[in-house]
Amino acid sequence: EVQLVQSGAEVKKPGESLKISCKGSGYSFTSYWIGWVRQMPGKGLEWMGIIYPGDSDTRYSPSFQGQVTISADKSISTAYLQWSSLKASDTAMYYCARPSDSGSYSYWGQGTLVTVSS
Amino acid sequence: EIVLTQSPATLSLSPGERATLSCRASQSVSSYLAWYQQKPGQAPRLLIYDASNRATGIPARFSGSGSGTDFTLTISSLEPEDFAVYYCQQRSNWPWTFGQGTKLEIK
Repeated sequence: EVQLVQSGAEVKKPGESLKISCKGSGYSFTSYWIGWVRQMPGKGLEWMGIIYPGDSDTRYSPSFQGQVTISADKSISTAYLQWSSLKASDTAMYYCARPSDSGSYSYWGQGTLVTVSS
Repeated sequence: EIVLTQSPATLSLSPGERATLSCRASQSVSSYLAWYQQKPGQAPRLLIYDASNRATGIPARFSGSGSGTDFTLTISSLEPEDFAVYYCQQRSNWPWTFGQGTKLEIK
């Protein structure tokens, strides 16, 4: 069974750094893209970027390029989303998601709530 | 970047009625369009991929159509559990993008 398990909720202050994780299991981690989606409170879904763990090919939305870093560690089947300096506007739920062979996001993590507040 | 525009923003219907949701792309996405359903407090769930293919376990009352720039999600007869927010998403070009969502509410 394919599973994506995300790290727990975080409460941070503006300016702090953060790295959240998404561990894949039940499939070949290096064979499928894995992406990140932001959902701000009460708002819609925003596609942030995606990584192919097999060769670390990474694509970003222009809206998020330079604001976050997406990475993956093949050895532990885990993808990451990180910030070097958080802002209050980064407060949101973040989902990781993996396409199936159909190409669309069939598998989703449970979400990681990030709260940034002074 | 391809912009997806969904309409209407909110759709108020009663159980048993037919729902028709629209997604328009700013340029052709061929058939690389998916539909997702999201309920409060839950992750999105894939309903339709490649414009017209139902994902595994999705009831037959959900159907998708369209190609190029105009797409439709139809729910033939609404069940109480269908009231949720629906998003379209394209994977034709990087960056992949989502529409802003249509909220389907009980009338």
